[in-house]
Amino acid sequence: DTAVSQTPKYLVTQMGNDKSIKCEQNLGHDTMYWYKQDSKKFLKIMFSYNNKELIINETVPNRFSPKSPDKAHLNLHINSLELGDSAVYFCASSQDGWAGEKLFFGSGTQLSVL
Amino acid sequence: DQQVKQNSPSLSVQEGRISILNCDYTNSMFDYFLWYKKYPAEGPTFLISISSIKDKNEDGRFTVFLNKSAKHLSLHIVPSQPGDSAVYFCAGLYNNNDMRFGAGTRLTVKP
Repeated sequence: DTAVSQTPKYLVTQMGNDKSIKCEQNLGHDTMYWYKQDSKKFLKIMFSYNNKELIINETVPNRFSPKSPDKAHLNLHINSLELGDSAVYFCASSQDGWAGEKLFFGSGTQLSVL
Repeated sequence: DQQVKQNSPSLSVQEGRISILNCDYTNSMFDYFLWYKKYPAEGPTFLISISSIKDKNEDGRFTVFLNKSAKHLSLHIVPSQPGDSAVYFCAGLYNNNDMRFGAGTRLTVKP
């Protein structure tokens, strides 16, 4: 069973559209994250959720909104997609309370905005 | 601002030899440093970590060295194997939840 799964794997869409990426983890972790891998290959944190509370929110446009219906899910909604949103988006999870905690990543969603 | 930097985008070594991947950081508040390995079309997977109060951590063929005064860490892989060919990301962790990644180094181990 995949520990952190995200769908879809590929997403191709037109500028201006609204799209969602889903993420689920079956590890029982308390915190989930969204990372964006930009064109320079840096993995940059976008959001993290701990017990349904947003605890990190980097300077991400408000067109991006995380939605967590429960501890095992953190979906990413993107409104009015722009060309610059094209990137690979990774979902991840970790177990709080473990110092030096590891992140467990999904396999990524390649978003292409045309 | 890039708090974690991996200045070598790629590295090529011969099978059986040592691979040394380098990482520099600017944030002295990092509590832990971690290395992740990433194969194409897969998410990064955890490899090894080191606490900021240590200077070395070893796990099998993988050893991470930390030089706090130089704000530098390195990952040593000995001996290197073709299956080690992947992109390696260095990351710094602070506040238990905020992890910053470098841009990665692509390691190629030639048979």
